[in-house]
Amino acid sequence: AAGVIQSPRHLIKEKRETATLKCYPIPRHDTVYWYQQGPGQDPQFLISFYEKMQSDKGSIPDRFSAQQFSDYHSELNMSSLELGDSALYFCASSLEGAPGNTIYFGEGSWLTVV
Amino acid sequence: AQTVTQSQPEMSVQEAETVTLSCTYDTSESNYYLFWYKQPPSRQMILVIRQEAYKQQNATENRFSVNFQKAAKSFSLKISDSQLGDTAMYFCAFMKMGYSGGGADGLTFGKGTHLIIQP
Repeated sequence: AAGVIQSPRHLIKEKRETATLKCYPIPRHDTVYWYQQGPGQDPQFLISFYEKMQSDKGSIPDRFSAQQFSDYHSELNMSSLELGDSALYFCASSLEGAPGNTIYFGEGSWLTVV
Repeated sequence: AQTVTQSQPEMSVQEAETVTLSCTYDTSESNYYLFWYKQPPSRQMILVIRQEAYKQQNATENRFSVNFQKAAKSFSLKISDSQLGDTAMYFCAFMKMGYSGGGADGLTFGKGTHLIIQP
């Protein structure tokens, strides 16, 4: 079965640079979530989209923005990168209203800021 | 806001033993979902089991089962016949139910329990 696809899997950027992460949800899934997991931390919810509209916002810095496109893929844009942004970024998807509303995670994108 | 607490930072058991991971949560919501996710060294987040709060019956998935006590806001995970491949970080997670019955506001995770299965 198709899973959540994230790209790139690994990314190295310098401080103050910009990075973009992409996420392709499971086919027919209409909801996308972004999470940030720092070293030794639990995943923190950043932002979510339902049917291409932002549905909820968590602890996303103002330097970050995201959107969901007409084909349901999503992109997380991160500007003015800081060392503390180094983390594993997960995208997840689900089908709104599906029983149990299970959220499926991608394998994550590793961002290292140097 | 919801909070999820996992009071066991690390646990270690012998292969084939049964182990129970604890999780408590705090919420004012009446309808919600609870999940256990497994994160092995590869860091992939893998769904282990889920529970709808409106269901009284405890969820079971093969060797994994939960003890859901809604009044006590407790959601423990029991792993029977533990295997070396069960070694991982286990996260308990909460998600409130949205208007359509789906989820809303994303998942709130506990800090995790590092489970080590010894040969």
